[in-house]
Parts: sequence; C-alpha cells; structure tokens
Amino acid sequence: AQSVTQLGSHVSVSEGALVLLRCNYSSSVPPYLFWYVQYPNQGLQLLLKYTSAATLVKGINGFEAEFKKSETSFHLTKPSAHMSDAAEYFCAVSDPDMRFGAGTRLTVKP
Amino acid sequence: SAVISQKPSRDICQRGTSLTIQCQVDSQVTMMFWYRQQPGQSLTLIATANQGSEATYESGFVIDKFPISRPNLTFSTLTVSNMSPEDSSIYLCSVKQGARTEAFFGQGTRLTVV
Repeated sequence: AQSVTQLGSHVSVSEGALVLLRCNYSSSVPPYLFWYVQYPNQGLQLLLKYTSAATLVKGINGFEAEFKKSETSFHLTKPSAHMSDAAEYFCAVSDPDMRFGAGTRLTVKP
Repeated sequence: SAVISQKPSRDICQRGTSLTIQCQVDSQVTMMFWYRQQPGQSLTLIATANQGSEATYESGFVIDKFPISRPNLTFSTLTVSNMSPEDSSIYLCSVKQGARTEAFFGQGTRLTVV
C-alpha cells in the first residue's frame, strides 16, 4: 500500500518567514498526492493536489508544493507565513482511500 | 465540491453505551469513508462504506464494534458500540468521487466517553 511520511511533527516560524513542511511518499507508481489543513475543532480542508498534470502545484492561501520524483517528495511551501496559517497540516496519498501522514503542527510567531 | 453534514457535532457518552453518527452528503458520491482521529494524532481509516453491501474494514477495526450502514449514495452511519474511554476521539466522514480525486470531509464528531 502507498504511504506518506511527514518529517517534523512541529514547525515554528516567524510571521513573514518561509514555511516549509516536508512530505515524502512511498510508491512504485505515480501517486496522487494531497495536502490538507486542519484548524482547531474543524474538519480537513484541501490545500492542493498533485495528479501528474504539473510538478509545481499551486493551492489556496498562497501555498504551493513541488512534486520531485527523484526525491520522492512533495514538500509544501509558502513564501511568507501569516498568523492565520497556524494549524495542523497533513500530507496524504490516494490509494484510492486517503492515507495520511502523521501531521505537522505549524506555529507562527509574531 | 461536496458538502458533508455530520451529526452530532459532539457528544459525551457513558461507557458501555453506543452512539450512532450520521453523515449526509449534498450529492451522490461513489466512495464514502469513516476515519478516527485520536487526540493529537493523525487520521486512521476505519472502513469504506459500500452502498448496498457490507462495509470494508481496516485492520484493527471490526464490524461488531463499528457497524456501518450505507443505504444510498448520499447517506451513511457509523455506530460506536459498547464504548470505553479509549473510544474518545474525533470521528470523520469523508467522500470521494473517484480514485484520483480529492476527499472532502465533514466537520467531525467529537466523542468523549466517561
């Protein structure tokens, strides 16, 4: 079965700094990869998805992710963090049900 | 996108009792799933709810403990039976239209067992 691994359970950045959340996938075939965000006491919201059309994927709220086959990675980035970005972020692979990474909690310091 | 309504949004239950969680989707969907999110943890798939047939359970989850119904393409229920404090979690309903598509989630049901 396909799986994803998120490196770093907690990332802390200053407001305005670069956000980098890491995700590596384990798959022998091209995977369908996703990033979700979960705000406190809420369900999951889709940030972006990779379905092999383009390696650089742009999502909502200024986030983007780049699919790198050579590194089996799908890291999530945002050039400038905002306080409202503080949340839990999950990388996921479709298999065809969604399989989630352990999650990364993003803290944004003023 | 699909709009998913889950009921109840939260509940506090006595151990040994059962709770049924409802999931209503605003459109017909081919795939429905139930997840558990334990405190501070990621999402773990409980089962795939199949329309017109038995649900398919993941390892570690059994039908006697988590019976699931899916009478049509827009509705499903998950029952948490004979609850213990270890069942305290958020339970989420999720839908997909196909293997390659994104999943949409309900707001979740926050269950506390005392």
